[in-house]
Amino acid sequence: RKEVEQDPGPFNVPEGATVAFNCTYSNSASQSFFWYRQDCRKEPKLLMSVYSSGNEDGRFTAQLNRASQYISLLIRDSKLSDSATYLCVVNEGDSSYKLIFGSGTRLLVRP
Amino acid sequence: EPEVTQTPSHQVTQMGQEVILRCVPISNHLYFYWYRQILGQKVEFLVSFYNNEISEKSEIFDDQFSVERPDGSNFTLKIRSTKLEDSAMYFCASKGTGIYEQYFGPGTRLTVT
Repeated sequence: RKEVEQDPGPFNVPEGATVAFNCTYSNSASQSFFWYRQDCRKEPKLLMSVYSSGNEDGRFTAQLNRASQYISLLIRDSKLSDSATYLCVVNEGDSSYKLIFGSGTRLLVRP
Repeated sequence: EPEVTQTPSHQVTQMGQEVILRCVPISNHLYFYWYRQILGQKVEFLVSFYNNEISEKSEIFDDQFSVERPDGSNFTLKIRSTKLEDSAMYFCASKGTGIYEQYFGPGTRLTVT
């Protein structure tokens, strides 16, 4: 049973496009949610935390639907530098605060 | 901006040898983690460490693995007798008190031959 599931992609979009990624998680007790970005052979870098009310950071908007156990990330006005793998990450609320990672969705932004 | 650092960036070792991977977490963080990522696969949790003891470990973290905080700044992962399947990127992460976000170091690429 997959705990955090993502479409692997790749999503191949032109510069300036809007692209959306989705993610589902299996543990209804999960407490905190994140999107990380990972470039090839590099560490995961925190892109944004995801809150129930939804949150926006510049061109990036994240949404959480606890009832459906669904998380989304919207990127507007895609840049070439947005090309990366986007990781949906969940903390299940246990005392260790360990993170559970999805397999990632690969984004390629072309000129 | 404070960051997590890791050394070495790449370690090549022969099967059966011991390796120690080193991490310096962000200075005021109290929660420390090791994760690994086998090439082409997802990031997997290995172990969490808080208040000088392991708070949780995964099934991957068997008796061949150990962690230590030998001083006030370093956090180490030791693999006693490496196997071919231990080849992976090993990431250290740390978290502050009262927040949920974890910050990752650049990783150590371990290659077991």
